[in-house]
Formats: sequence, structure tokens, C-alpha cells
Amino acid sequence: TQLLEQSPQFLSIQEGENLTVYCNSSSVFSSLQWYRQEPGEGPVLLVTVVTGGEVKKLKRLTFQFGDARKDSSLHITAAQPGDTGLYLCAGVGSNYKLTFGKGTLLTVNP
Amino acid sequence: GAGVSQSPSNKVTEKGKDVELRCDPISGHTALYWYRQSLGQGLEFLIYFQGNSAPDKSGLPSDRFSAERTGGSVSTLTIQRTQQEDSAVYLCASSKTGGGYTFGSGTRLTVV
Repeated sequence: TQLLEQSPQFLSIQEGENLTVYCNSSSVFSSLQWYRQEPGEGPVLLVTVVTGGEVKKLKRLTFQFGDARKDSSLHITAAQPGDTGLYLCAGVGSNYKLTFGKGTLLTVNP
Repeated sequence: GAGVSQSPSNKVTEKGKDVELRCDPISGHTALYWYRQSLGQGLEFLIYFQGNSAPDKSGLPSDRFSAERTGGSVSTLTIQRTQQEDSAVYLCASSKTGGGYTFGSGTRLTVV
């Protein structure tokens, strides 16, 4: 069974601070996706990383895929209250079935 | 429609009753997935439909759970003889083959 471990589980910071969340696995995935989920809504896809060592930027968010394609990180610069939410990483396996981590619940306080 | 639509958005049922949850995927998306999200447990895969292929049912937790997808579009997840541990948010997602998932807003099921 492929498992994804996310850390930290909870993160509460002040507006303007930087943060990094991690997603680690003992298994190799063909690609990895990051989602953000707000209360009462389904997860929304932020990015897909495919190549080992790949770095993708989405405004203040920087996503990195490890060289061995087993781990990933999400870095947010100058966090804003609108960044508050549950951040989920998901490994893409066979048949494009996703295996999700348990998520990092981020709270950005004004 | 523009997104994945799930109904009902909330469902409260008595223990032992059967429930049906509905998912309308995005038109043209050949893949449809059901996941369950419990507090502190992340998203748990339940079942996957891809075109006309036999569904991947490997995530269904017991034989009380079943799902079908009619005409390659709408899907219904049925839970028979509901138990309190079935309480969760049930999420449906659809995608083009190999693409990112688009999730619905989910059905929050509470078994009392």
C-alpha cells in the first residue's frame, strides 16, 4: 500500500510569514498533485508535478518534486488570510487513482 | 454543467436505513471517482469508473457499499443498512483520462 505522510498536520501563522509543508512517501509515484480544500467544498487542484526535481510556481506558492519522485514540498511566501485551508498532496498511481495524504490545515491570522 | 454536482449536500439518516448519493460529473469526463473523507483520516478511495471498463471496487469498505454509473455519466453510491461509522463526507470527482480531478462539494452523511 502506498502511503503519503504530510507534515505538519496543523499550522497557524501570522499574515506575512513564510511557510513550508511537506509530503513524503516510501513509494515512487508517476506524478504528484497538490490540492487546497476550504470548509464545505471539495478539494481544488493547484498543481501537478511530474519530473523529479521539478519546481513549479503559482504566484506566491512554490511546489517542488523530489529527485526520486517520492516527496514534495509546498512553500508559501508572505502568507495571506485567503491562503487558509486544508492542503492535500496526492500521489498518482495506476489507473490514475490518487492516494491522498491526511493534509495540512493552515490558518493564516490577520 | 460547469462542475461536478453532488446531491444531496447533507443527509441525516437513521442507523439501519439505506441511502443513495448522486454524482453528476462534468460532461465529457470519462473517469469518475468516489472518495470518503472522515475527520482526521484524509480522503479514502472507494471506487473508480473509467469509460466502459469494469469499475475498480477495491476501496469499498464492505459489501453494504455499492455504486453504479449509468450511460457513462451519472453515478449513484448506495450504502445499505447504514452504520454510525459510515458518517463522513462522500466526495465525487471526475476527470479526463490522465487529467487532474475536479471534485464536487460532497455529501455530508450523518448516521444517527
